[in-house]
Amino acid sequence: AQSVTQPDIHITVSEGASLELRCNYSYGATPYLFWYVQSPGQGLQLLLKYFSGDTLVQGIKGFEAEFKRSQSSFNLRKPSVHWSDAAEYFCAALPADSWGKLQFGAGTQVVVTP
Amino acid sequence: NAGVTQTPKFQVLKTGQSMTLQCAQDMNHNSMYWYRQDPGMGLRLIYYSASEGTTDKGEVPNGYNVSRLNKREFSLRLESAAPSQTSVYFCASSEKGFNQPQHFGDGTRLSIL
Repeated sequence: AQSVTQPDIHITVSEGASLELRCNYSYGATPYLFWYVQSPGQGLQLLLKYFSGDTLVQGIKGFEAEFKRSQSSFNLRKPSVHWSDAAEYFCAALPADSWGKLQFGAGTQVVVTP
Repeated sequence: NAGVTQTPKFQVLKTGQSMTLQCAQDMNHNSMYWYRQDPGMGLRLIYYSASEGTTDKGEVPNGYNVSRLNKREFSLRLESAAPSQTSVYFCASSEKGFNQPQHFGDGTRLSIL
């Protein structure tokens, strides 16, 4: 079955440390890939997207993601985390044969400690 | 810069009651979507509207109906609410084109007792 998996439900990171959030997908063909962030009580905001081309994608708020076809992964990274990065992060995939039907992972909750 | 506006933000219903969740976007987007968010499950698509005048089922449509009132507005109706429909509901919109990023509202938190 087609799916998006975020293996880490919860991650705690110190302010200033690096952050990596994992995302794996399972589709017959490479889907379009997205990372969204959700702050408490808010909707989802798009961080970045991958359609094709350069496998390292830059996004907003200093985030980047790397697409690795061989590992069916699209991991999100940030070199130095700020307290304001505490939020829930969702990886999402849009299969090439599926009109607008985004499929989301379960999310990773990020806690930032002083 | 309103973007996607959802009303109400919070609602408590009794089992069997009906309710309509409202969504409006001011970005002139063609496509609109309704999702529900449940703990540990991410967001799941309930219904979507690719363009004005069309609606289609998503992953979890049972118990819901939708209306694309015009290009701006897309409502979600619960005809007979059930406790299993307790969730946070998000509306989203996007430009025409199946791979366009979706822009989300702030959600409606719905509790059904």
